[in-house]
Amino acid sequence: QVQLVQSGTEVKEPGASVKVSCQASGYSFTAYYIYWVRQAPGQGLEWMGWIDCKSGETNIAQRFQGRVTMTRDTSISTTYLDLTSLTSDDTAVYYCARDKPIGSKWGQGTLVTVSS
Amino acid sequence: QAVVTQEPSLTVSPGGTVTLTCGSSTGAVTSGHYSYWLQQKPGQVPTTLIYDTTKKNSWTPARFSGSLLGDKAALTLSGAQPEDEAEYYCFVSYNGARHWVFGGGTKLTVL
Repeated sequence: QVQLVQSGTEVKEPGASVKVSCQASGYSFTAYYIYWVRQAPGQGLEWMGWIDCKSGETNIAQRFQGRVTMTRDTSISTTYLDLTSLTSDDTAVYYCARDKPIGSKWGQGTLVTVSS
Repeated sequence: QAVVTQEPSLTVSPGGTVTLTCGSSTGAVTSGHYSYWLQQKPGQVPTTLIYDTTKKNSWTPARFSGSLLGDKAALTLSGAQPEDEAEYYCFVSYNGARHWVFGGGTKLTVL
């Protein structure tokens, strides 16, 4: 069955970087885009960007440009979200979601906590 | 960046009908915004109910429908059930579906 499995909980200090992975299975990885969405505690959903898993093209939301990189490794059907210069405002659950349509499948979410 | 606006909260009676709306700071929401509606219950991953303004996923209950209402996207729930109590997010695309923005969410209470 179609699955997106994300990496586990991360605890980081301010100023550090985090890399969250999203491994796909059960479908043709390169036929879809992956969207990244985050949700801070008690807050709403926030779109971070998408990656075309075939070409590697990305589109990053303006507020994250310069701090976010999205990549993929087609050999292991995995996409990655890299977020640098972390602050406490980056404490959130990070979700990956497949498209066609968006949210046809979601990852389970990865909690990233930024704390000194 | 565009701002997408939703009602912060709405209440509907069991069996009743309610319409949630989604507006854009850039002007009218049209079919070209490919708007989505997502449902999220506390502690759970979001679920996509409606995409491309009106289309339903296979798991979307028939009581939910999407439309354009005036200059906004709309989600109508007809025959509300207690299990429909949740947060609902509108998700709208811009610039040829390259850029996306979430609304702030509507907390729907079934009471």
